[in-house]
Amino acid sequence: GAVVSQHPSRVICKSGTSVKIECRSLDFQATTMFWYRQFPKQSLMLMATSNEGSKATYEQGVEKDKFLINHASLTLSTLTVTSAHPEDSSFYICSARDNGSEQFFGPGTRLTVL
Amino acid sequence: AQSVAQPEDQVNVAEGNPLTVKCTYSVSGNPYLFWYVQYPNRGLQFLLKYITGDNLVKGSYGFEAEFNKSQTSFHLKKPSALVSDSALYFCAVRAPGNRLAFGKGNQVVVIP
Repeated sequence: GAVVSQHPSRVICKSGTSVKIECRSLDFQATTMFWYRQFPKQSLMLMATSNEGSKATYEQGVEKDKFLINHASLTLSTLTVTSAHPEDSSFYICSARDNGSEQFFGPGTRLTVL
Repeated sequence: AQSVAQPEDQVNVAEGNPLTVKCTYSVSGNPYLFWYVQYPNRGLQFLLKYITGDNLVKGSYGFEAEFNKSQTSFHLKKPSALVSDSALYFCAVRAPGNRLAFGKGNQVVVIP
């Protein structure tokens, strides 16, 4: 089946620094990638949708200058959390979709901001 | 707007007993419905989906789900639960823009 990877799997950073998370589709071309945020024991909250070569579409309430998304190729999207603060600590999950109806999810990145 | 509801927070079941995780949906048009499972600190794993065709959908790890249009439900089932089935289960529906709208999730605890 289709495989999506995320890197890093876990990151700890100091408040005020920026963190970049990569999402890669390993064996297919992802026309669309999605970024989600998940708080403990809660559902996934869609943050933004990114299409290769165009600007990401952010969900209401998500700061686009805070969460920078770049979808530079059909196999790579990055999420950069800028000037991270403790309230940004969360589990971030990406998913990728080819031309079909199914999304394939990455294993997630646990971000802890001290 | 497309949405799904998972009415229970936690489902407890004894190992070997049938497992049911409930999901109801609200959509305009034909629903595309999905079930995913999440183990601790992991991403979501696809279990099964309904797009069209037979109302009974068979998926991974012995799971199946029944699409019921009159009750607007898409309950996930497994005839005999395993301890390893203990996880968080999410129902989802395809929303505009090919996004997924997720339910709140159900924690399944299978008791040995």
